[in-house]
Amino acid sequence: TQLLEQSPQFLSIQEGENLTVYCNSSSVFSSLQWYRQEPGEGPVLLVTVVTGGEVKKLKRLTFQFGDARKDSSLHITAAQTGDTGLYLCAGVKFGSGNTGKLIFGQGTTLQVKP
Amino acid sequence: KAGVTQTPRYLIKTRGQQVTLSCSPISGHRSVSWYQQTPGQGLQFLFEYFSETQRNKGNFPGRFSGRQFSNSRSEMNVSTLELGDSALYLCASSLVVSGGSREQYFGPGTRLTVL
Repeated sequence: TQLLEQSPQFLSIQEGENLTVYCNSSSVFSSLQWYRQEPGEGPVLLVTVVTGGEVKKLKRLTFQFGDARKDSSLHITAAQTGDTGLYLCAGVKFGSGNTGKLIFGQGTTLQVKP
Repeated sequence: KAGVTQTPRYLIKTRGQQVTLSCSPISGHRSVSWYQQTPGQGLQFLFEYFSETQRNKGNFPGRFSGRQFSNSRSEMNVSTLELGDSALYLCASSLVVSGGSREQYFGPGTRLTVL
């Protein structure tokens, strides 16, 4: 059983469409991070959210941390072909202390078609 | 600032051999974490090193080991390789700040293929 469940696992959309990726857990997290990974490369950090209810925006990307710090979402407005990639949520479980152990969701593969 | 570097980028080994992978963190980062990424299991935490000491360990067999040097560079070693060890091995470095959340920055990974 994944501690962090991401949905959907695969998403294929046309350029210009909007989309939302979800990251859910039954556990509380101290912080959640979103990464984007391209084939053959390491994940690149997009954002970190730490406060329940927090919303962060990065150009066309909007990230939200749930009030109870058990879930997060990533919304992309007007997707572009350059947004194609694997999106990963990862978090530090509450109570783990100051740890370098990240728990990852299984990822969402996004394909944006021109 | 230079990012996290990993060497080698690609490696092909046969079953039973051992392998050593290297990771140089971002300058000033003293924590290095290692992850294994496979299509079936996704990213799984292997271990974390800070100030030359292992601080956390994931659920991997003892064939997986690591160490960290005084300059924060880290190596991981896999002995008696099995086919299932084929994966992308990623290291991530982070700045340890008391009471703060840590952001991890990943290297490009080492793609290990076991034949």
